[in-house]
Amino acid sequence: DIQMTQSPSSLSASVGDRVTITCRAGQDISTYLNWYQQKPGRAPKLLIYSASSLQSGVPSRFSGRGSGTDFTLTISSLQPEDSATYYCQQSYRTWTFGQGTKVEIK
Amino acid sequence: QVQLVQSGAEVKKPGASVKVSCKASGYTFSENYMHWVRQAPGQGLEWMAWIDPDSGGTYYAQQFQGRVTVTRDTSISTAYMEVSRLKSDDTAVYYCARDLLDVWGQGTTVTVSS
Repeated sequence: DIQMTQSPSSLSASVGDRVTITCRAGQDISTYLNWYQQKPGRAPKLLIYSASSLQSGVPSRFSGRGSGTDFTLTISSLQPEDSATYYCQQSYRTWTFGQGTKVEIK
Repeated sequence: QVQLVQSGAEVKKPGASVKVSCKASGYTFSENYMHWVRQAPGQGLEWMAWIDPDSGGTYYAQQFQGRVTVTRDTSISTAYMEVSRLKSDDTAVYYCARDLLDVWGQGTTVTVSS
């Protein structure tokens, strides 16, 4: 199994802040890295695929970078509706998810 | 539109089995692998298995081998995931998701309780 480690596990930021979440893979996964947003009681929603491609309909304040083992998700200007848990996922070999980052609005 | 619609919530006793369905619409069912993912209460996402709807080929996470079975019925564009010998820590929301990552079912809550 390919292990995925996310940090931080939670964060609190103000509206308008720039927020960055980090994900590290246990081995080289090229750019087979995806990011999801999940709100309580809802299925995960795809934000970013292939490390840096923005899914259709997702606001441009979300962006992703990285390749190999180190990846980041950035929200350039945090909005109230961004309060959620964010997961990274590798799709290089089957699927594995990070443990999640809970984002709260101050 | 493309969607995956799952069967309703289930309550089962320990040792029983449960079978969850996932009906696809809006795309050609056989063209995309289907994955199953579960989420225990307050926990993260755990990948379980995939099925190739075209060939019926399957692959399971090691921890689920022998206790989880995924199947499909191409005539009705539906995938199934069965968990046998249920334990209390199988209590979770179970999701299906197509291999393109973009579409997930709404989730099926399975509660295992005596």
